[in-house]
Order: sequence, then C-alpha cells, then structure tokens
Amino acid sequence: QVQLQESGPGLVKPSETLSLTCTVSGGSISGYSWSWIRQPPGKGLEWIGYIYYSGTTNYNPSLQSRVTLSVGTSKNQVSLKLSSVTAADTAVYYCARVGHGGNKYYFDYWGQGTLVTVSS
Amino acid sequence: DIQMTQSPSSLSASVGDRVTITCRASQSISSFLNWYQQKPGKAPKLLIYGASSLQSGVPSRFSGSGSGTDFTLTISSLQPEDFATYYCQQSYSIPYTFGQGTKLEIK
Repeated sequence: QVQLQESGPGLVKPSETLSLTCTVSGGSISGYSWSWIRQPPGKGLEWIGYIYYSGTTNYNPSLQSRVTLSVGTSKNQVSLKLSSVTAADTAVYYCARVGHGGNKYYFDYWGQGTLVTVSS
Repeated sequence: DIQMTQSPSSLSASVGDRVTITCRASQSISSFLNWYQQKPGKAPKLLIYGASSLQSGVPSRFSGSGSGTDFTLTISSLQPEDFATYYCQQSYSIPYTFGQGTKLEIK
C-alpha cells in the first residue's frame, strides 16, 4: 500500500520560502507523477503543480513564478518550494500521486497533509 | 483556466436517501472528471475517475455520470459515513481545477 507523508516547518515568516518534503513508502516514485495541492483553512482545493519522476514539471500559472518542485529518487521523495510567501499562502499542503487509467489522470493516493502558517 | 461549479453548495439528507451532486465545467472536458470525498481533518479520497469509473475499494452505492460539461455524482442510499464534503476535479487541461465543494449534512 502506497503511503505519502509530508514534512516541513509549520510556521514560515512572510517573504521567506516555504519548503516541504513528501516521502513515499510502500512503492517507488518511478513511473508516476506527483502533485502538490493546498487547502486554505475552511476553503477549497488548489492544485499547485506536478513533477514526473524523471523531473519534468508542470505548474499552476497562478503560482508558477514562485514554485519549484523537485524529486529525490534515491530517497523516494518529492519536494516543494514556494518563495516570497504571504498570509494568503497559509494552508494545509498535501502531496498526492497522480494515478492513471487509460488516458485518465487522477489523485489516487494522498498524504495526510501538513498545515503551514505564514506569520511573523 | 477551466472553472468547475458544483451545486448545491450544501445539502441536508437522511440515511437511506438517494443524493445527487452536480458539477458543471466552463468548457467541454470530455470525461476527464474525478470526484473526491473529504471528511473533516482528513485528506480527500478518490471515489470516481474518468467521470464514471469506480475507484477500487469504493462502495458501489457511489456512481458517476456525464460527459462534456455536465456531470453528476450519485449516492444511491446514504450511509452515516457518507456525510462529508465532495469535490469534483477536471484533469482535461492544466491547471487542474476543483469545484468549490458540496457539503453533505445529516438532516
């Protein structure tokens, strides 16, 4: 059973960089894309981007100038960096596997999520 | 970006009821539509992918239909564990986008 676990600081100061890691267990990151999705408290879901295990990325244009995703295949990890954060970036951040059936893509495995608060 | 609009935003129903949630896309997305269930404090869980394919392990009382711009999620007989928030999501084009959610509450 594939399991994902997000980790990183729960508090980040405004203008600094948010850094999170997603560790995948029970399976390899190879052969799949891995996404980050966030959810501000009490609000809906926003897709941040995905990275293919080989390193190819695709970002939400609304965040593209501030987001960097990377993979660490030897550690079975995927990482997120979001620069120049503001209070609007306060959210629960999820990592998720992009599963595929035929030509359909969906988020089939999710981490438990980690709350990141942006505050001085 | 493709806008996804769900209706209703909230819904009260009783155990045993048949419930339908609608999701409309701002442009045609063929059948690239997924449904998720989220309970408070938990990550979303995939229910339906490709508009109508049931994810492994999901009870058969959940079903999805539609194509193009209009989609529905139906729960044939509500169970106590089904009270949650439901989201649709399109995977037709980048950026992937979600509906605003439908909160299903106990009447």
